[in-house]
Amino acid sequence: AQKVTQAQTEISVVEKEDVTLDCVYETRDTTYYLFWYKQPPSGELVFLIRRNSFDEQNEISGRYSWNFQKSTSSFNFTITASQVVDSAVYFCALGSTDSWGKLQFGAGTQVVVTP
Amino acid sequence: DTAVSQTPKYLVTQMGNDKSIKCEQNLGHDTMYWYKQDSKKFLKIMFSYNNKELIINETVPNRFSPKSPDKAHLNLHINSLELGDSAVYFCASSQDYRDRGEKLFFGSGTQLSVL
Repeated sequence: AQKVTQAQTEISVVEKEDVTLDCVYETRDTTYYLFWYKQPPSGELVFLIRRNSFDEQNEISGRYSWNFQKSTSSFNFTITASQVVDSAVYFCALGSTDSWGKLQFGAGTQVVVTP
Repeated sequence: DTAVSQTPKYLVTQMGNDKSIKCEQNLGHDTMYWYKQDSKKFLKIMFSYNNKELIINETVPNRFSPKSPDKAHLNLHINSLELGDSAVYFCASSQDYRDRGEKLFFGSGTQLSVL
């Protein structure tokens, strides 16, 4: 069975602080994909990143960075120098091999950035 | 132009009523999905269609019936609405569910409130 755990329910930071969101996954598949999505207060789901199981290279996109470690089954997400606009719920998700569109989502982490 | 659009954005109705949510995508994708987000923000897939053919049906009550008149549209009809159906329903699409690692494009969600 596939499972995604986001143990942090809510993280509150002050603007310009860094914040790291944890994501731990479980799967028996050797090939799989991991995703992060952002859900701002307006409610839509915005794709942030996709990572396949064969690529453990860390990725940086502006103030966002991702650390994928197969050894610990983790795919953590860091926002550097957070801004108020980063306030949102962030979801980690795992793609299934029986249907790549069937995503197993974590429970989400609410990030609150205050000025 | 909105890639995945769903209507209505808000739907308030009485228990026992029948309602529909419509979804359209202009991305030329073959696969479309319905996801449900409950009050705790947990996201779970309900259905998936590929080119008008049902490929995923995730233990959803028979009161929920998806309909795909063509590959650009996937509507969700709900009969005999119950209080527990209150949630946000997201439509999504991807190029083809068989393509590994395909990211999903989500609509902005329909907030359904059953009174």
